[in-house]
Amino acid sequence: QVQLQESGPRLVKPSQTLSLTCSVSHDSVTTTAYYWTWIRQSAGKGLEWIGRIYTTGSTNYSPSLRGRVTISVDTSKNQFSLNLSSVTAADTAMYYCAREFRSGYSYFADWGQGTLVTVSS
Amino acid sequence: DIQMTQSPSSLYAAVGDRVTITCRASQSISNYLNWYQQKPGKAPKILMYAAFSLQRGVPSRFSGSGSGTDFTLTISSLQPEDFATYFCQQSYVIPYTSGQGTKLEIK
Repeated sequence: QVQLQESGPRLVKPSQTLSLTCSVSHDSVTTTAYYWTWIRQSAGKGLEWIGRIYTTGSTNYSPSLRGRVTISVDTSKNQFSLNLSSVTAADTAMYYCAREFRSGYSYFADWGQGTLVTVSS
Repeated sequence: DIQMTQSPSSLYAAVGDRVTITCRASQSISNYLNWYQQKPGKAPKILMYAAFSLQRGVPSRFSGSGSGTDFTLTISSLQPEDFATYFCQQSYVIPYTSGQGTKLEIK
C-alpha cells in the first residue's frame, strides 16, 4: 500500500516561501498511472487543489496561485515538492500531498496525513 | 472555476437512518464527480468516483447518483463509523474544486 508523508516547516513568516516535501513509499514517482498532487484545506473549509506534477515533469497549477507556486519531482529520492512564494496569512492551512489516479475519471486515491502550516510573524 | 455547492452544511441523524447529501455544480460536469469522507484530524478518504462507482473496500450502504449538475450521496443505514464530514469534488476540469462539506453528526 502506497504511503505519502509530508515534511517541512510548520511556521513560515509572511512574504517568505513555504516549502514542503512529500516522500513516497511503496510506489514510484515515475509511475505513469498517477499524478502527484498538492491540496490544501483551511480550517472548516473545502479542499483547494493547488497543482500536480506528472512523471515527465509536466505540471498544472491552480490559476489562483499561478505565479507563486512551483511543484517539482526528485526521482532519485522518490519525492515531490511544493514551493509557494510570497505567503500571507491566507495561506495558513493543512497541506496534503496526494496521489491522483490518472484515468478517464480521476480522483485522489491516496493521501498523506497532512501538515499544518501557519503563516505568522 | 466550477463552483460546487453542498447541502445541507450539517446534518443530524441517528444510527440506522437513511441520509442523503446533495451536491450541485455551477455548470455541467457530466459524471466527473467524486465523494470523500473525512474524519477529525485525518485526511479525506475516497468513497465514490465517477458519481456512482464505489471505491474498493467501501461498504455497499454508500451509493451515489446524478449527472450534469446535480448529484447525491446516500447512506442507506447509518453506522457509528459514518459520522464524519463528506465532500464532493469535480474532476471534469482543472482547477478541481470541491464543496464546502457536509458534517454528519449524531442526533
